[in-house]
Amino acid sequence: SQQGEEDPQALSIQEGENATMNCSYKTSINNLQWYRQNSGRGLVHLILIRSNEREKHSGRLRVTLDTSKKSSSLLITASRAADTASYFCATVGGYNKLIFGAGTRLAVHP
Amino acid sequence: GAGVSQSPSNKVTEKGKDVELRCDPISGHTALYWYRQSLGQGLEFLIYFQGNSAPDKSGLPSDRFSAERTGGSVSTLTIQRTQQEDSAVYLCASSADITRQFFGPGTRLTVL
Repeated sequence: SQQGEEDPQALSIQEGENATMNCSYKTSINNLQWYRQNSGRGLVHLILIRSNEREKHSGRLRVTLDTSKKSSSLLITASRAADTASYFCATVGGYNKLIFGAGTRLAVHP
Repeated sequence: GAGVSQSPSNKVTEKGKDVELRCDPISGHTALYWYRQSLGQGLEFLIYFQGNSAPDKSGLPSDRFSAERTGGSVSTLTIQRTQQEDSAVYLCASSADITRQFFGPGTRLTVL
């Protein structure tokens, strides 16, 4: 991918379980963002973590950032069937354009 | 609505034809971006507009691709002499700052 690797590429879990997705990036960053995409169409911004932050929470979402390893993780707790989507990390490049990872396809089964 | 809108939602065209894709950003957002999402390439940046500044065209894959933004609002992405490898979902996004971008639903382009 343009940005780096995301793993896993696909994740299948049961409702109520936690889902963890990881992302690595290649360049230095000011912030890293996570987006969600349903059915291959528009993306929705989930959360932003700044380079001087190590962890951030938003509802059932928890994001960590390790700038020394150039990696981030997204944890969704107590997953629901409605969380089924693709999740992308993105860093901000020149002119604020987003540079996306390859994404993780999450399937949450009832 | 208050979100980013794109039209058409789906476009099927024949190889060699020109296509125009439209994006209406959120009112007041000065920045507008075009991205492309295809199976082999993932999500890739195409072009960026910021206010009245010259656009950043560094992501356009060939000179068959062009875009304009009229009056700092609506943007049109034009693909001339379409090729099958142009088949993808074209996503538009707008933003007011660097903390987040708001995406439209995309246009799915199929070149036969």
